[in-house]
Parts: sequence; structure tokens; C-alpha cells
Amino acid sequence: KNQVEQSPQSLIILEGKNCTLQCNYTVSPFSNLRWYKQDTGRGPVSLTIMTFSENTKSNGRYTATLDADTKQSSLHITASQLSDSASYICVVSAETNAGKSTFGDGTTLTVKP
Amino acid sequence: NAGVTQTPKFQVLKTGQSMTLQCAQDMNHNSMYWYRQDPGMGLRLIYYSASEGTTDKGEVPNGYNVSRLNKREFSLRLESAAPSQTSVYFCASSYSYYGYTFGSGTRLTVV
Repeated sequence: KNQVEQSPQSLIILEGKNCTLQCNYTVSPFSNLRWYKQDTGRGPVSLTIMTFSENTKSNGRYTATLDADTKQSSLHITASQLSDSASYICVVSAETNAGKSTFGDGTTLTVKP
Repeated sequence: NAGVTQTPKFQVLKTGQSMTLQCAQDMNHNSMYWYRQDPGMGLRLIYYSASEGTTDKGEVPNGYNVSRLNKREFSLRLESAAPSQTSVYFCASSYSYYGYTFGSGTRLTVV
């Protein structure tokens, strides 16, 4: 069964600090991995998309890494801001199951002043 | 540049009532999806449509029906609402399965 596990479930950091969120998956055969940011009460918004051949992708202060051999991804947030407080969701797609991407349960990040 | 538009944004239903959630996208995407998100939980796929004229069940289809009206519109219908269907419903669209654009959600309460 395809699965995506994210850790930690929740995280509290001080403004200006860095943090790293983890995503482990068992989806096979792998097609792509995406990270989304979901603000409270809003729909998820795409941050990064990585295919098998990409091992890092940046979007401003957000940098995602992918290790397809160990089936792990991380999302690193640099110099956090209060607006980074949100849920971060890892989504993995398999080549053979286009309509059924596997979603992680998300990591809830709280940035405090 | 609307993206994915969902209506209504909020709805309260009584048990047994029916309603249709509407979703429209203006990005010429082939695929459209309906998800539900319960408090503190991840998104779960209800139904999806890989292309106009096709629909398929997701992880939690029971109690729902869908219609892909045309390439732009994908509706979700609750025939007889139950309290267990209280949730936030998100519609999404994608060119393939490469990346989704989500709507802002419909908050549904069934009492």
C-alpha cells in the first residue's frame, strides 16, 4: 500500500530560526513529489515539485530535497517568518496511478515572535 | 485569473438533505478532484476525473456522487447528508498529475 509519513506532526519555532520537515514515502513506481503549504482556512498552495532526477528544488526561503534511493524528502525553511505558520503537506504520485496521489497528514508549523 | 472556484463557501444541512457542491476551473486542466479534510487530518480523495467524460472513485466515495459536466466543471453531490460528512471539501485541478491547484474550500456542517 502506498504511504506517505511526515514528521514531526507539529513544530514550534521562534521567528528567524530555520527548521526542517521530513517526508518518508513508500509510493512505487515513483513519479513526483510535491510540497504544499496550507494556511488555516485556505486550500493548499504548491511550493515545490520534484521528479526522480531532481534532488533539490528551491522556492524563495523554502528548499526541498529528495533522496529517491531512501525514499525520503525534506523541506527546509530558512529565516522563518510569522507568515510561515501553516500546515505543510507532502504529496507523492506513482506513475501507474495518475489520479490517486498519496497525501501525508501534514506538519503543523507555528512560528512565534 | 480565478484558478479554481468553489461554491458555496459555507453550508449547513440537516441530516437527510441533499446538496451539490460546485467547482469550476479556468486553466484548461484535464483532471479534476474532490477531497475532504476533517479537523486535524490529511486530505482524502473522494472522486476524481482524469479527463472530460470520465470519473473514478477515490479513497472515500461512499455517500457521494460526481458529475464532470464539461472540461471546466466538476460537481460533487451528497444525496442524503449525514453528520459524518461534516468536513471541509476541496476541489482541485491539474494538467496531468504533476501538480494540483486547489480551490479555497467549502465548509459543510450536517446537523
